[in-house]
Amino acid sequence: NAGVTQTPKFQVLKTGQSMTLQCAQDMNHNSMYWYRQDPGMGLRLIYYSASEGTTDKGEVPNGYNVSRLNKREFSLRLESAAPSQTSVYFCASSPGPYGADTQYFGPGTRLTVL
Amino acid sequence: AQSVSQHNHHVILSEAASLELGCNYSYGGTVNLFWYVQYPGQHLQLLLKYFSGDPLVKGIKGFEAEFIKSKFSFNLRKPSVQWSDTAEYFCAVKRNYGQNFVFGPGTRLSVLP
Repeated sequence: NAGVTQTPKFQVLKTGQSMTLQCAQDMNHNSMYWYRQDPGMGLRLIYYSASEGTTDKGEVPNGYNVSRLNKREFSLRLESAAPSQTSVYFCASSPGPYGADTQYFGPGTRLTVL
Repeated sequence: AQSVSQHNHHVILSEAASLELGCNYSYGGTVNLFWYVQYPGQHLQLLLKYFSGDPLVKGIKGFEAEFIKSKFSFNLRKPSVQWSDTAEYFCAVKRNYGQNFVFGPGTRLSVLP
């Protein structure tokens, strides 16, 4: 039981490049989330998915797109990376609805945009 | 808009000292409250949570938190910290209506051996 896994762990991009962050969970959870963590700002929700096939915007969705491919996988795409997107990105999942249940976090992806 | 504040950015304690980390939120309705911890190099994990009932909740590793509704607070406590408690601690709040789930900015705890 691996929990929540994320790939890659580290990534460096140039401004304007695109990339997809992958997330998978093996706990049969319904809800999945993408957060970014910046110093002094805690975690801010980018997008979440309450169930397969549904996604909703969080606090900071601009510049990102997501895809809930199936119940296990939830990917985050940066179409045209900007230096302001330099951050640590965390994927999380929970059995129940958003905020009504414990969230389980992945190890994070450290992204640097030059 | 709902916001969550944590009183201290960085707390430094010696082993065996008592710990209290403050957390306040701005929303007055019914809320779910969480404390998460991030140990160095590890991912976030749940310490404890409060949904309803006894306002004093106990979590893992000897941590506890008290919900004081009148003060909009959910402070984290531990009677005697250990070096292994060195980590970053995040308070998080979810109101029962709407989609807002907000993390505080975090408090970094350093415990000196």
